[in-house]
Amino acid sequence: DTAVSQTPKYLVTQMGNDKSIKCEQNLGHDTMYWYKQDSKKFLKIMFSYNNKELIINETVPNRFSPKSPDKAHLNLHINSLELGDSAVYFCASSQEASIQETQYFGPGTRLLVL
Amino acid sequence: GQSLEQPSEVTAVEGAIVQINCTYQTSGFYGLSWYQQHDGGAPTFLSYNGLDGLEETGRFSSFLSRSDSYGYLLLQELQMKDSASYFCAVYNFNKFYFGSGTKLNVKP
Repeated sequence: DTAVSQTPKYLVTQMGNDKSIKCEQNLGHDTMYWYKQDSKKFLKIMFSYNNKELIINETVPNRFSPKSPDKAHLNLHINSLELGDSAVYFCASSQEASIQETQYFGPGTRLLVL
Repeated sequence: GQSLEQPSEVTAVEGAIVQINCTYQTSGFYGLSWYQQHDGGAPTFLSYNGLDGLEETGRFSSFLSRSDSYGYLLLQELQMKDSASYFCAVYNFNKFYFGSGTKLNVKP
């Protein structure tokens, strides 16, 4: 069984569209994250949720909105997509929001905005 | 602010030992983690150092010196499958910060 899964794996869309990426973890973890990895491989945290409550909201455009219906799911909705949003988006989870806790990453969603 | 510095690329031959350094500047330091990422894959956890010293996990070891704000990942008996990017990461006030990654090329 996949520990952290994301859908879709690939997403190609036009500028201005709205899209969502879904993430689910079956590890029973309390904390979930969204990361953006750009073309230079720089990995930057966007959001972190602990038990469905937002605990980290890095400086990202408000076009990005995370939604956590339950602690096993953390979806990412993006409005009015821009060219600069093209990147790989990783979902991750950990037992708690702590450096000691291993983060388990999903396979990533490769977003290309045309 | 936070900053982590890693070399961008390292090349070594199969069977050799390689060390990937990470220097950091951060307030409220809680520990240093290392992640491996193969091309096209997801980051996977390798090791964590909360205290000064060496942590060993098989062929991989990680070292931390809090007084020097410095750590390294040591890979021994390199194998071709170790070709990947390696990221150091720090945790500070509920936030994770990753370095820009070091691409390790292992040659036969």
